[in-house]
Amino acid sequence: DAKTTQPNSMESNEEEPVHLPCNHSTISGTDYIHWYRQLPSQGPEYVIHGLTSNVNNRMASLAIAEDRKSSTLILHRATLRDAAVYYCILSQDGSSNTGKLIFGQGTTLQVKP
Amino acid sequence: DTGVSQDPRHKITKRGQNVTFRCDPISEHNRLYWYRQTLGQGPEFLTYFQNEAQLEKSRLLSDRFSAERPKGSFSTLEIQRTEQGDSAMYLCASSAQVVSTSRQYFGPGTRLTVL
Repeated sequence: DAKTTQPNSMESNEEEPVHLPCNHSTISGTDYIHWYRQLPSQGPEYVIHGLTSNVNNRMASLAIAEDRKSSTLILHRATLRDAAVYYCILSQDGSSNTGKLIFGQGTTLQVKP
Repeated sequence: DTGVSQDPRHKITKRGQNVTFRCDPISEHNRLYWYRQTLGQGPEFLTYFQNEAQLEKSRLLSDRFSAERPKGSFSTLEIQRTEQGDSAMYLCASSAQVVSTSRQYFGPGTRLTVL
């Protein structure tokens, strides 16, 4: 399974944008880039995923480098409720694939009021 | 609430006892996953079901662990002869098989403490 590298922690001020980086230099052509987050005392929660093109949804945006060796999760206006551990995960497509997620340590995001 | 539910939310047991956890996935989700999470770590994959078939088991899943998903609906995870090292949060997730990259919906987890 391809590995990802994320900073252990980041800080942000409330209502400011947050850019969470992820490096995945060994990504293969069929690897999707997923982001999940885990709020304190809760199960992980899906945020966004993409393959090659940048993606937007109501929660966040995902910017994928042209060579796909890195990506950035963008929270446009951080709120206190966005304080969580953010996981960047690679998962392969294909009907024979189980879709299991291989989590790393993630990035702990602190949001200051 | 139509999300993934898990029962119990907390379980305290003595070393050597058997415990069983239940997971109710989102209705019509044919894929079900169990993960384990220890303090300060990300979740680790344990096992995967597609409908009632258990198609993958992690090497983390020792012989003391067994999981079932009868009729492809709810799932149970049993740990026999619990050890202190089994203390962790056990998470269940489900997804619909559109493609294997379909998002997974996680339950709140069962926190196991082995004394």
